[in-house]
Amino acid sequence: QQQVKQSPQSLIVQKGGISIINCAYENTAFDYFPWYQQFPGKGPALLIAIRPDVSEKKEGRFTISFNKSAKQFSLHIMDSQPGDSATYFCAASMSSNTGKLIFGQGTTLQVKP
Amino acid sequence: AAGVIQSPRHLIKEKRETATLKCYPIPRHDTVYWYQQGPGQDPQFLISFYEKMQSDKGSIPDRFSAQQFSDYHSELNMSSLELGDSALYFCASSAYSATNEKLFFGSGTQLSVL
Repeated sequence: QQQVKQSPQSLIVQKGGISIINCAYENTAFDYFPWYQQFPGKGPALLIAIRPDVSEKKEGRFTISFNKSAKQFSLHIMDSQPGDSATYFCAASMSSNTGKLIFGQGTTLQVKP
Repeated sequence: AAGVIQSPRHLIKEKRETATLKCYPIPRHDTVYWYQQGPGQDPQFLISFYEKMQSDKGSIPDRFSAQQFSDYHSELNMSSLELGDSALYFCASSAYSATNEKLFFGSGTQLSVL
């Protein structure tokens, strides 16, 4: 059973547009929610992360929105650029071991020039 | 800046053979995690070590074992390899801290079992 569900599986956005990726989780014990970016042949790299005590976190063009009651969180990429084309994974973990990440299925983002 | 180093980068093995993957964490990082990523799949947590002791275990087959050495590097040993073991294996490291949750991933070892 997939504990973290991610959608869409793939996304095509025009340059300058907004990319939105959604995730939902089941386990209410999760209290750390990071987003990772992965380029082909490379390891995932942390983009931004949030904890349930805040509803939104923004870092540059990347924003996480968090809805604790709905057990959902999303990544918004503003002013999307071709260099943002990559696979994005949401993840969740617990404070007892934040490095033990449960990943979503991933979203392949293509930003067209 | 130094990153997580994994070796080898690529490894080709036959069924039933053994393989050893190595991971060198970022200096002063004392925690190591191993993940397995199948083709087109999300990474799956295998096992983690903190200060040379196993700290957590995930979906790691009994045929696999791992350890962390005194210099904090880690090795993942895989025996009786099966076709389904073909995957990208990532190591990640972090500095254990209540406030530092950032994981740094290596570029992975691509294992192909023929």
